[in-house]
Amino acid sequence: KNEVEQSPQNLTAQEGEFITINCSYSVGISALHWLQQHPGGGIVSLFMLSSGKKKHGRLIATINIQEKHSSLHITASHPRDSAVYICAVRKLAHSNYQLIWGAGTKLIIKP
Amino acid sequence: NAGVTQTPKFQVLKTGQSMTLQCAQDMNHNSMYWYRQDPGMGLRLIYYSASEGTTDKGEVPNGYNVSRLNKREFSLRLESAAPSQTSVYFCASRQGEKLFFGSGTQLSVL
Repeated sequence: KNEVEQSPQNLTAQEGEFITINCSYSVGISALHWLQQHPGGGIVSLFMLSSGKKKHGRLIATINIQEKHSSLHITASHPRDSAVYICAVRKLAHSNYQLIWGAGTKLIIKP
Repeated sequence: NAGVTQTPKFQVLKTGQSMTLQCAQDMNHNSMYWYRQDPGMGLRLIYYSASEGTTDKGEVPNGYNVSRLNKREFSLRLESAAPSQTSVYFCASRQGEKLFFGSGTQLSVL
């Protein structure tokens, strides 16, 4: 079993819908990252969380440390949000910031 | 600022050929990383460098070598390419908790 699992693997929605992408992990962590990979391949960091909730524009990320679970929400989704969203965790006591990566959630927003 | 610059973008090799993937960052970051990305899998760490002159193996180092000759540049070398090394390769640097990625190299080994 992978230490970081994302769901769903693929998600197609209509423009304007509220989107939720989930990330569950099975190890103790010190930080969790959400990243976005555009169709062209480039990867961009969205959030780093160690507790609670963060918001940036239409994106909201939450984490529940006790339940070992994080969610990424997109409000008022738009076709330009179409991308692969990746969750990655930093294990507790892991040296030099090595991360464990989820396989990603491919999101398609249709106009 | 260019950020993290990675070359080449695409490369096709024959089995047994060698090549070097180049990566440079202009953000004065100490930590740099090489990952490979395969379909259906998360990014896997090949090698990392905590600072100039130091390198360490990651999760999948076999078949690769790296060089961190200065703070800016971190190169990845395939000495004798194998079809199993067909993948997309990403270089990244880190400042604090934030990662910065290059645009990737799509490598095919025939």
